[in-house]
Amino acid sequence: NAGVMQNPRHLVRRRGQEARLRCSPMKGHSHVYWYRQLPEEGLKFMVYLQKENIIDESGMPKERFSAEFPKEGPSILRIQQVVRGDSAAYFCASSPPSLGETQYFGPGTRLLVL
Amino acid sequence: QQPVQSPQAVILREGEDAVINCSSSKALYSVHWYRQKHGEAPVFLMILLKGGEQKGHEKISASFNEKKQQSSLYLTASQLSYSGTYFCGTDPGHGSSNTGKLIFGQGTTLQVKP
Repeated sequence: NAGVMQNPRHLVRRRGQEARLRCSPMKGHSHVYWYRQLPEEGLKFMVYLQKENIIDESGMPKERFSAEFPKEGPSILRIQQVVRGDSAAYFCASSPPSLGETQYFGPGTRLLVL
Repeated sequence: QQPVQSPQAVILREGEDAVINCSSSKALYSVHWYRQKHGEAPVFLMILLKGGEQKGHEKISASFNEKKQQSSLYLTASQLSYSGTYFCGTDPGHGSSNTGKLIFGQGTTLQVKP
């Protein structure tokens, strides 16, 4: 059973460009979560999605950031017009349909904005 | 809102024991413990749910005091592989279930020396 998959693993963007981060949950998992981790800091919740629905986006910056989890295909975290402060590791986690279950993390995408 | 972990850092010799604490100012539905090695994804260790249910690895134990809004992770007979940063993630819950949104502590760095 493959784990949570994220790609790309590393992404370099120049200021003003767009970044698209992809996450494929574990087989059988229908809940997806995105977290951001700045260097030497803890994980910060960004957004919680189920198929075609955003459940909680209270941790998402109001501008430039968006997330989706379509009926088919991976979940996408999109950052428009990136700035240097967006440089971080972005982790995706997934969990089974029943609430109260463990969130399993993917390997992360390390975004560097030049 | 962010839970507070203590201690911030621990250095052990192989075979020694350690306790890592996680304290929240808010009522909790569940506490999730993860270990992260540098440059890698957080790895699930244990989930403790309101009401006493626990799920996790056999060699890891933890406690959850709902009244005090505290959890402790017990590492016994430490091995070199235990080195890493330990994070607790808390979910305040909504009614009788999780919200899915984990708020992580700042982490506890554990170093096990030969």
